[in-house]
This record gives sequence, structure tokens and C-alpha cells, in this order.
Amino acid sequence: QSVLTQPPSVSGAPGQRVTISCTGSSSNIGAGYDVHWFQQLPGTAPKLLIYGNSNRPSGVPDRFSGSKSGTSASLAITGLQAEDEADYYCQSYDSRLDYVFGTGTKVTVL
Amino acid sequence: EVQLVESGGGLVQPGGSLRLSCAASGFTVRSNYMSWVRQAPGKGLEWVSVIYSGGSTYYADSVKGRFTISRHNSKNTLYLQMNSLRVEDTAVYYCARVRPRDWFDPWGQGTLVTVSS
Repeated sequence: QSVLTQPPSVSGAPGQRVTISCTGSSSNIGAGYDVHWFQQLPGTAPKLLIYGNSNRPSGVPDRFSGSKSGTSASLAITGLQAEDEADYYCQSYDSRLDYVFGTGTKVTVL
Repeated sequence: EVQLVESGGGLVQPGGSLRLSCAASGFTVRSNYMSWVRQAPGKGLEWVSVIYSGGSTYYADSVKGRFTISRHNSKNTLYLQMNSLRVEDTAVYYCARVRPRDWFDPWGQGTLVTVSS
């Protein structure tokens, strides 16, 4: 089961800013392990979006940004576009459970 | 180009076995941590197993004792041997390289395993 909690869904109009939270515990995010984010478009494999809490791989637009504080992390999408409609997952390492993923958030562009 | 291509999925009866393969190109499997992640239909991502460059292996509790991760160095290929399969093992299985600070990149395209009678 997922040990990182995300909201099931968020939505916004084109051009707006949305944020997705990822809440963990003292054995994962709170223990200092990095948080990473993935985007999964319908019918495709997950794609790395943010690594090491706030770093973007080459090719990822700077509309996507990540942050981490305490036992939580957040992904922000500014200037929301239709192509951003997808599922988003956070991921970290857990000292008891090895690799852990968030519950996933569906982003809908209104 | 760094790439992973899975194969071996299919339909199997409960209690049966299946072996998944993940062929890597653009990097060396034996020099990296490699992992399997699965996604049940309509559900989220679940980590399954990892093999470290030194050969140590680890498993999620849900598959421990039933699944075995391994690699073939000369074929540059990762495997997942799945025994005693259950209906709840039905999922798309992805292989992925694990980077030094524990993120997964790249991912393969996935292979569907369906366990049903």
C-alpha cells in the first residue's frame, strides 16, 4: 500500500497554477530522503518530472517546480496547459519499506 | 539513447509462473540499481523489487518468497521470475533504472500480466 498521501484530484483552468501535496512520515520524507515526481499520461509509462526535490530533467518545462519541507513535498504547475492533464505521482525512499510511491493525483484542465 | 524494453507478459492461471524480461540499451545493467514497479488496472504505482549493482536483492512484502529478480550481464537484461501467481498480481509491470538518489529513470513501456482462470 502507498505510504505517501496525495489528493486524488486537482483541477484548474488553462493558465492557472495548481499544486499537488505529498505527505509522508518520519521514516521517509521526514528522515531526509529526497522526493521525486512522475507524470503519467493516459496509456503510457511514468516519466520523470522532478528529481531530488526540486530539479528538472532536461526537456521538462520550467512551469513544473518541486519543493520539500518537513514530512511533505509539493509539485506546482504554473500556466496550466491542456497537455498537462495526466496522473502525477510522488516517490521517495522509506527506511522500513524501501521505495515508496504516492497515492497519485489526477490533474484535470477545465 | 538510454532505453528499456520489457517482454514476457501474458495471461496465466492462478498458481502459475511467468518470467518477465527487460532489455537495456545505452547503459550497463550490472553497473546500476535496477527495479521492477507494477500498476494494477486503474490503480497507482507499487514498487516490487530491486537488484543493486553488487547483487543484493530486495522485495516488497506482497511478493517476497514468490518473485525473484535477477540479471544476465552479457545480455544486459533484467528479469523477474514470478511464481505462485495470484489474481492480485494482475498489473502492468515496468522495469526502471534507479538513479543514485533513488529516483527511477528511465522506465520501460511496460508489459501486462493477467492472472485469471
